[in-house]
Amino acid sequence: KQEVTQIPAALSVPEGENLVLNCSFTDSAIYNLQWFRQDPGKGLTSLLLIQSSQREQTSGRLNASLDKSSGRSTLYIAASQPGDSATYLCAVLHRSSSGNTGKLIFGQGTTLQVKP
Amino acid sequence: DAGVIQSPRHEVTEMGQEVTLRCKPISGHDYLFWYRQTMMRGLELLIYFNNNVPIDDSGMPEDRFSAKMPNASFSTLKIQPSEPRDSAVYFCASSLIYHYGYTFGSGTRLTVV
Repeated sequence: KQEVTQIPAALSVPEGENLVLNCSFTDSAIYNLQWFRQDPGKGLTSLLLIQSSQREQTSGRLNASLDKSSGRSTLYIAASQPGDSATYLCAVLHRSSSGNTGKLIFGQGTTLQVKP
Repeated sequence: DAGVIQSPRHEVTEMGQEVTLRCKPISGHDYLFWYRQTMMRGLELLIYFNNNVPIDDSGMPEDRFSAKMPNASFSTLKIQPSEPRDSAVYFCASSLIYHYGYTFGSGTRLTVV
């Protein structure tokens, strides 16, 4: 059974700091891994998607890496800002045993607070 | 594109009542997903459709829950009868191809009292 774990559950940093959020998954049979952002009371916004054949993706101050063999992904946020405060969710699209469908399985998230 | 549209945004109902949540996926997306989010269990997949056909409903918690997709632009999730433990945020998402990215709606916050 695929399980996704995110560490830490919460993180508080001063503005300007570089930070890393961690995600691990138990089964390497994945199509891709996706990082989302969720603001309080809001929906999910997709940040980065890494296909299983890729190692990393970058968007602005965000960089996500994927090591499928070890079941790990990291989200790196450079020069953090108070506006980055939100919950960050990691999700893997798990490949079914038949290989032709998948389920997006989420971690519990890391709640980030960036202090001015 | 208006994105994935869910209605209502908030729903408060009494235990035992029927609740219907609605979703309009992004035009052209072949896949539609219903998720439930709670503090205890996080985000859980309830059911998903491909070309309006239910593919996997193993996440639907009980027979009280049902979902339909009568056409490519509309889906409903119904709970009948509702119970307080159904209180959660229900999200709808759609995807062009399931192993590409998902786009989520803003969610419906359901409170059953």
